[in-house]
This record gives sequence, structure tokens and C-alpha cells, in this order.
Amino acid sequence: DQQVKQNSPSLSVQEGRISILNCDYTNSMFDYFLWYKKYPAEGPTFLISISSIKDKNEDGRFTVFLNKSAKHLSLHIVPSQPGDSAVYFCAASAGYGSSNTGKLIFGQGTTLQVKP
Amino acid sequence: DADVTQTPRNRITKTGKRIMLECSQTKGHDRMYWYRQDPGLGLRLIYYSFDVKDINKGEISDGYSVSRQAQAKFSLSLESAIPNQTALYFCATSDYPHEQFFGPGTRLTVL
Repeated sequence: DQQVKQNSPSLSVQEGRISILNCDYTNSMFDYFLWYKKYPAEGPTFLISISSIKDKNEDGRFTVFLNKSAKHLSLHIVPSQPGDSAVYFCAASAGYGSSNTGKLIFGQGTTLQVKP
Repeated sequence: DADVTQTPRNRITKTGKRIMLECSQTKGHDRMYWYRQDPGLGLRLIYYSFDVKDINKGEISDGYSVSRQAQAKFSLSLESAIPNQTALYFCATSDYPHEQFFGPGTRLTVL
């Protein structure tokens, strides 16, 4: 049972355009969400996060949107650059705060290719 | 120097062999994790540890064991490797409850 799903295995966009990566979740107990980026032969690196008390979080070219009613989050990259080409994983956790275990549930990943 | 290191980076072994993957971190974090990545499945949690005396099973712990030798070291063992344990293995650490820092990974092939 995949609790976090990234239904698009790959995405290709032109440099300078917007990249939108999507993620759906099924567990209503999830209250914190993260995006990680992974280059080949490297470990995933943290990109941006959002808690369930917010619906948007922005960091430079990266913005994450959370729609709790739809159990959906998305990552927007504007403008997209060739260096953004990587695999992007969304992840979710439950129990933010003192009860939080820090366990992350990851999606399958989406491979983004940004063409020059 | 890398904050989270994993050894070996690549390993090919045979079915039935015992294998140990090692992870060391210099970030001073208490929490450490082991994941495996398979194509189309993302990262799945094998074991996690909140401190030296606290070790917990993750989603897919069968066939694996771990040892937390010190705050900075967390090892993953495959007691008797089988081909479906062929995967990319990642160690991660965290201090803050959510953001985890990953090592470069170990590519394990079981023939």
C-alpha cells in the first residue's frame, strides 16, 4: 500500500519554463512534507518542506504547495535550469512535535529533465 | 570531508554470504536510518535508531539486522544475502525531527 505516490515517473521541460512535480498521499495523519533532490551516484539532498498548518512555502526558485483536502502537494520550480535535472522525491511524516518519530515515507520519485 | 559516509560504495556478493554495510557521520546527530532504494519504489525504511540504545524496525526489516556501535556509527547487516536484496542502500542522519541528511549510498548486487 503506497501511502505516498508520485504518479509521473518523468517530466521534461524547457530551460526557463516552470516545472511542476506532483505528489499524492493517502494517510490523513501526515502533517509534514518534504521534497528531496537526488543526482546520480549521490544521496538525496533536502530541498524544501512544508507543515500541514501552511498551504505554501517558498524558497528562492522553489515553492511547495499543499492542498490538504485533496491530499496533494506539488513542487514548482521557476525558472527551471539544466542543473535542476535530477530525481525528485516527496516524503511525508506524521506526528510532528514531541511524538514525532522522524520516520519518512517516500514516494517513488520523478525524474526531471530540463532541456537547454 | 563528507558529513555522512558509507562503506563500501559498491559490493558484489553471492547468495548466502553475510554482508555488512557501514555508515559513519560527523554531524553529531542522534538519529540514524537505513533505507533501500529500488527502481519504481522510492526509498523504504529498513531500520532506524534514535540513540545508541534505541533501535527500531522499519517497513522492510526482514532479512536485515543493525548495530549502533556509537553515536556516529550505524551498521547494516545482511545475514544471508539473497538476490532480491540487490538494491541501492542509503544511510541517513537527523537532529531536527524531519530533515534527514543522506550518505552517498552503497550499490549492492547479490548474485
